[in-house]
Amino acid sequence: DGGITQSPKYLFRKEGQNVTLSCEQNLNHDAMYWYRQDPGQGLRLIYYSQIVNDFQKGDIAEGYSVSREKKESFPLTVTSAQKNPTAFYLCASSIGGTNYNEQFFGPGTRLTVL
Amino acid sequence: RKEVEQDPGPFNVPEGATVAFNCTYSNSASQSFFWYRQDCRKEPKLLMSVYSSGNEDGRFTAQLNRASQYISLLIRDSKLSDSATYLCVVNMGGFKTIFGAGTRLFVKA
Repeated sequence: DGGITQSPKYLFRKEGQNVTLSCEQNLNHDAMYWYRQDPGQGLRLIYYSQIVNDFQKGDIAEGYSVSREKKESFPLTVTSAQKNPTAFYLCASSIGGTNYNEQFFGPGTRLTVL
Repeated sequence: RKEVEQDPGPFNVPEGATVAFNCTYSNSASQSFFWYRQDCRKEPKLLMSVYSSGNEDGRFTAQLNRASQYISLLIRDSKLSDSATYLCVVNMGGFKTIFGAGTRLFVKA
Protein backbone atom coordinates (compact mmCIF):
# COMPACT_ATOMS: atom_id res chain seq x y z
CA ASP A 1 0.00 0.00 0.00
CA GLY A 2 1.95 2.99 -1.29
CA GLY A 3 1.85 6.39 0.31
CA ILE A 4 3.42 8.97 2.56
CA THR A 5 3.58 8.70 6.30
CA GLN A 6 4.32 11.44 8.79
CA SER A 7 4.98 11.16 12.48
CA PRO A 8 4.07 12.14 15.03
CA LYS A 9 0.51 13.28 14.32
CA TYR A 10 0.62 15.76 17.20
CA LEU A 11 3.73 17.29 18.73
CA PHE A 12 4.12 19.66 21.63
CA ARG A 13 7.31 21.61 22.06
CA LYS A 14 8.62 23.90 24.73
CA GLU A 15 10.11 27.16 23.65
CA GLY A 16 13.81 26.84 22.90
CA GLN A 17 13.65 23.17 21.90
CA ASN A 18 14.47 21.70 18.52
CA VAL A 19 12.08 19.05 17.23
CA THR A 20 12.24 16.75 14.20
CA LEU A 21 9.24 15.78 12.12
CA SER A 22 9.43 12.53 10.19
CA CYS A 23 8.33 12.01 6.58
CA GLU A 24 8.65 8.71 4.71
CA GLN A 25 7.35 7.72 1.26
CA ASN A 26 7.30 4.41 -0.60
CA LEU A 27 6.06 5.82 -3.90
CA ASN A 28 9.56 5.86 -5.39
CA HIS A 29 9.20 9.60 -5.98
CA ASP A 30 12.33 11.66 -6.55
CA ALA A 31 10.94 14.96 -5.27
CA MET A 32 9.83 15.69 -1.72
CA TYR A 33 8.53 18.86 -0.06
CA TRP A 34 7.72 20.38 3.28
CA TYR A 35 4.90 22.88 3.64
CA ARG A 36 3.49 24.82 6.51
CA GLN A 37 -0.22 25.67 6.76
CA ASP A 38 -1.61 28.36 9.05
CA PRO A 39 -5.31 29.11 9.51
CA GLY A 40 -6.74 31.14 6.63
CA GLN A 41 -3.56 30.89 4.59
CA GLY A 42 -2.40 28.78 1.72
CA LEU A 43 0.34 26.22 2.07
CA ARG A 44 3.78 27.80 2.13
CA LEU A 45 6.88 25.96 0.97
CA ILE A 46 9.63 25.49 3.54
CA TYR A 47 12.09 23.24 1.72
CA TYR A 48 12.08 20.87 -1.23
CA SER A 49 14.40 18.18 -2.50
CA GLN A 50 14.66 17.04 -6.09
CA ILE A 51 17.01 14.18 -5.43
CA VAL A 52 18.94 12.43 -2.67
CA ASN A 53 21.59 14.57 -0.96
CA ASP A 54 20.21 17.76 -2.48
CA PHE A 55 17.64 20.22 -1.16
CA GLN A 56 16.61 23.82 -1.76
CA LYS A 57 15.12 26.53 0.41
CA GLY A 58 11.52 27.45 -0.19
CA ASP A 59 9.79 30.69 0.68
CA ILE A 60 9.98 30.39 4.47
CA ALA A 61 13.10 28.34 5.27
CA GLU A 62 14.38 30.45 8.16
CA GLY A 63 14.39 28.50 11.42
CA TYR A 64 14.06 25.11 9.68
CA SER A 65 16.52 22.49 8.46
CA VAL A 66 16.20 19.30 6.43
CA SER A 67 18.23 16.36 5.21
CA ARG A 68 17.76 13.90 2.35
CA GLU A 69 20.08 10.98 2.96
CA LYS A 70 17.67 8.43 1.52
CA LYS A 71 15.18 8.66 -1.31
CA GLU A 72 12.36 7.56 0.97
CA SER A 73 12.98 9.96 3.83
CA PHE A 74 12.91 13.75 4.21
CA PRO A 75 12.89 14.78 7.90
CA LEU A 76 12.28 18.38 8.94
CA THR A 77 13.83 19.94 12.04
CA VAL A 78 12.11 22.94 13.55
CA THR A 79 14.80 24.81 15.43
CA SER A 80 14.54 27.26 18.30
CA ALA A 81 15.29 30.00 15.77
CA GLN A 82 11.80 29.60 14.29
CA LYS A 83 9.88 32.29 16.15
CA ASN A 84 6.34 31.14 15.46
CA PRO A 85 6.44 27.39 14.85
CA THR A 86 2.88 26.49 15.87
CA ALA A 87 1.29 25.25 12.64
CA PHE A 88 0.17 22.27 10.59
CA TYR A 89 3.15 20.75 8.75
CA LEU A 90 2.59 18.78 5.57
CA CYS A 91 5.08 16.65 3.70
CA ALA A 92 4.51 15.86 0.03
CA SER A 93 6.17 14.04 -2.83
CA SER A 94 5.92 14.01 -6.60
CA ILE A 95 7.40 12.04 -9.47
CA GLY A 96 9.37 15.02 -10.70
CA GLY A 97 8.81 18.76 -10.47
CA THR A 98 5.35 20.01 -9.65
CA ASN A 99 4.79 21.26 -13.17
CA TYR A 100 2.02 18.97 -14.46
CA ASN A 101 2.73 16.48 -11.69
CA GLU A 102 0.39 15.78 -8.80
CA GLN A 103 1.76 16.19 -5.32
CA PHE A 104 0.82 13.48 -2.85
CA PHE A 105 0.56 14.61 0.75
CA GLY A 106 1.11 12.86 4.04
CA PRO A 107 -1.47 13.20 6.85
CA GLY A 108 0.44 16.04 8.49
CA THR A 109 1.90 16.87 11.90
CA ARG A 110 0.30 19.47 14.15
CA LEU A 111 3.02 21.23 16.12
CA THR A 112 2.15 23.33 19.14
CA VAL A 113 4.65 25.38 21.09
CA LEU A 114 3.80 25.61 24.78
CA ARG B 1 -1.68 41.43 -4.81
CA LYS B 2 -1.50 37.76 -3.87
CA GLU B 3 -0.13 35.40 -6.48
CA VAL B 4 -3.21 33.19 -6.19
CA GLU B 5 -6.48 34.52 -4.82
CA GLN B 6 -9.65 32.73 -3.90
CA ASP B 7 -12.91 33.81 -2.31
CA PRO B 8 -12.62 32.26 1.17
CA GLY B 9 -16.37 31.75 1.45
CA PRO B 10 -17.92 29.97 3.14
CA PHE B 11 -20.38 28.92 0.52
CA ASN B 12 -23.47 27.41 2.12
CA VAL B 13 -25.61 25.49 -0.39
CA PRO B 14 -28.40 22.91 -0.19
CA GLU B 15 -27.95 19.40 -1.49
CA GLY B 16 -28.49 19.22 -5.22
CA ALA B 17 -27.36 22.80 -5.85
CA THR B 18 -24.78 23.88 -8.39
CA VAL B 19 -21.91 25.93 -7.02
CA ALA B 20 -18.97 27.60 -8.73
CA PHE B 21 -15.63 28.79 -7.39
CA ASN B 22 -13.22 31.12 -9.11
CA CYS B 23 -9.53 31.61 -8.58
CA THR B 24 -7.32 34.32 -10.06
CA TYR B 25 -3.57 34.18 -10.53
CA SER B 26 -1.13 37.01 -11.12
CA ASN B 27 1.67 35.42 -13.14
CA SER B 28 0.80 35.17 -16.81
CA ALA B 29 3.66 32.67 -17.28
CA SER B 30 1.95 30.12 -15.03
CA GLN B 31 2.09 26.73 -16.64
CA SER B 32 -0.21 24.26 -14.91
CA PHE B 33 -3.24 24.43 -12.71
CA PHE B 34 -4.97 22.14 -10.26
CA TRP B 35 -7.85 21.95 -7.84
CA TYR B 36 -7.19 20.12 -4.58
CA ARG B 37 -9.72 19.22 -1.92
CA GLN B 38 -8.90 19.46 1.78
CA ASP B 39 -11.17 18.06 4.47
CA CYS B 40 -11.07 19.56 7.93
CA ARG B 41 -7.75 18.87 9.65
CA LYS B 42 -6.67 16.53 6.86
CA GLU B 43 -4.15 16.69 4.04
CA PRO B 44 -4.97 18.11 0.59
CA LYS B 45 -5.81 15.62 -2.15
CA LEU B 46 -5.89 16.21 -5.89
CA LEU B 47 -9.41 16.74 -7.20
CA MET B 48 -8.52 17.46 -10.80
CA SER B 49 -5.99 19.06 -13.06
CA VAL B 50 -7.18 21.98 -15.19
CA TYR B 51 -6.52 21.94 -18.91
CA SER B 52 -6.77 24.75 -21.42
CA SER B 53 -9.66 23.05 -23.17
CA GLY B 54 -11.55 22.56 -19.93
CA ASN B 55 -12.19 19.20 -18.40
CA GLU B 56 -14.94 17.33 -16.64
CA ASP B 57 -14.95 14.51 -14.13
CA GLY B 58 -18.43 13.41 -13.21
CA ARG B 59 -20.14 16.27 -11.39
CA PHE B 60 -17.02 18.43 -11.46
CA THR B 61 -15.99 20.74 -14.30
CA ALA B 62 -12.81 22.82 -14.38
CA GLN B 63 -12.12 25.70 -16.75
CA LEU B 64 -9.04 27.79 -17.47
CA ASN B 65 -9.12 31.30 -18.90
CA ARG B 66 -5.55 32.34 -19.65
CA ALA B 67 -6.53 35.72 -21.07
CA SER B 68 -8.23 36.76 -17.84
CA GLN B 69 -5.92 34.67 -15.65
CA TYR B 70 -8.48 32.71 -13.74
CA ILE B 71 -9.57 29.15 -13.25
CA SER B 72 -12.93 27.92 -12.12
CA LEU B 73 -14.48 24.84 -10.57
CA LEU B 74 -18.14 23.97 -11.03
CA ILE B 75 -19.81 21.37 -8.85
CA ARG B 76 -23.21 20.11 -9.99
CA ASP B 77 -25.75 18.23 -7.89
CA SER B 78 -23.89 18.95 -4.64
CA LYS B 79 -23.64 16.15 -2.09
CA LEU B 80 -23.16 16.40 1.66
CA SER B 81 -19.80 14.70 1.11
CA ASP B 82 -18.66 17.62 -1.05
CA SER B 83 -18.33 19.75 2.08
CA ALA B 84 -14.65 20.64 2.26
CA THR B 85 -12.16 23.37 1.44
CA TYR B 86 -11.18 23.62 -2.22
CA LEU B 87 -7.64 24.80 -2.94
CA CYS B 88 -6.63 26.44 -6.18
CA VAL B 89 -3.05 25.50 -7.07
CA VAL B 90 -0.90 27.16 -9.71
CA ASN B 91 2.49 26.00 -10.90
CA MET B 92 4.82 28.60 -12.36
CA GLY B 93 7.39 26.18 -13.68
CA GLY B 94 9.68 23.64 -12.07
CA PHE B 95 9.12 23.46 -8.35
CA LYS B 96 7.42 26.82 -7.93
CA THR B 97 3.88 25.99 -6.87
CA ILE B 98 1.52 28.43 -5.20
CA PHE B 99 -1.48 27.29 -3.16
CA GLY B 100 -4.48 29.50 -2.69
CA ALA B 101 -5.88 29.88 0.82
CA GLY B 102 -8.94 27.87 -0.17
CA THR B 103 -12.69 28.26 -0.49
CA ARG B 104 -14.85 26.57 2.13
CA LEU B 105 -18.00 24.78 1.01
CA PHE B 106 -20.79 23.57 3.27
CA VAL B 107 -23.51 21.47 1.69
CA LYS B 108 -26.66 21.25 3.81
CA ALA B 109 -29.33 18.57 3.84
